Amino acid sequence: DVKVTQSSRYLVKRTGEKVFLECVQDMDHENMFWYRQDPGLGLRLIYFSYDVKMKEKGDIPEGYSVSREKKERFSLILESASTNQTSMYLCASSFPRGGSGYTFGSGTRLTVV
Amino acid sequence: DAKTTQPPSMDCAEGRAANLPCNHSTISGNEYVYWYRQIHSQGPQYIIHGLKNNETNEMASLIITEDRKSSTLILPHATLRDTAVYYCIVRVRMDSSYKLIFGSGTRLLVRP
Repeated sequence: DVKVTQSSRYLVKRTGEKVFLECVQDMDHENMFWYRQDPGLGLRLIYFSYDVKMKEKGDIPEGYSVSREKKERFSLILESASTNQTSMYLCASSFPRGGSGYTFGSGTRLTVV
Repeated sequence: DAKTTQPPSMDCAEGRAANLPCNHSTISGNEYVYWYRQIHSQGPQYIIHGLKNNETNEMASLIITEDRKSSTLILPHATLRDTAVYYCIVRVRMDSSYKLIFGSGTRLLVRP
């Protein structure tokens, strides 16, 4: 069964900490995405990547950066975590044309205290 | 970017068809409509997608109007496990790839 795996299901971090959220896919997908999901706001795109070492800003990139050193891995980095970054973070991957869909991970629920 | 509009909530009886509407009046000619659903505490799950023609798979049917300004997802025989938030999404072209623009979704409750 194809998979997008996010390294942590739940995470609690302190304000000001540097936080790494890891995502790995085993489908040889070129595209990978990071979304955050908040009540009443739905899913919002933070960053995406369509190739190794390539990255593009989504709709809400402020306060985040990403890294894609290998095709299968896409990392989301919070350089200095803040309480307004408390959210559910979802990683997804797809082939370039999308085709039959984008595969999502189960999510990481991050709480910044 | 094209936006989608969905009713915030709906309900239907178990075993009956669930018809979930979506408006996407600003959609462009080459933008696909995708449907996903999200069960509590899980990532969104792909259901179906289409461009112009109606589509059917083992999970659902997708009816797209001729002017492409709206669509309807049909779950032919809803079960309790179909209770979820359903997202109607437009896939937008980027320079060399595509991205999904999510709306707020419809919370479907299937009643016993």
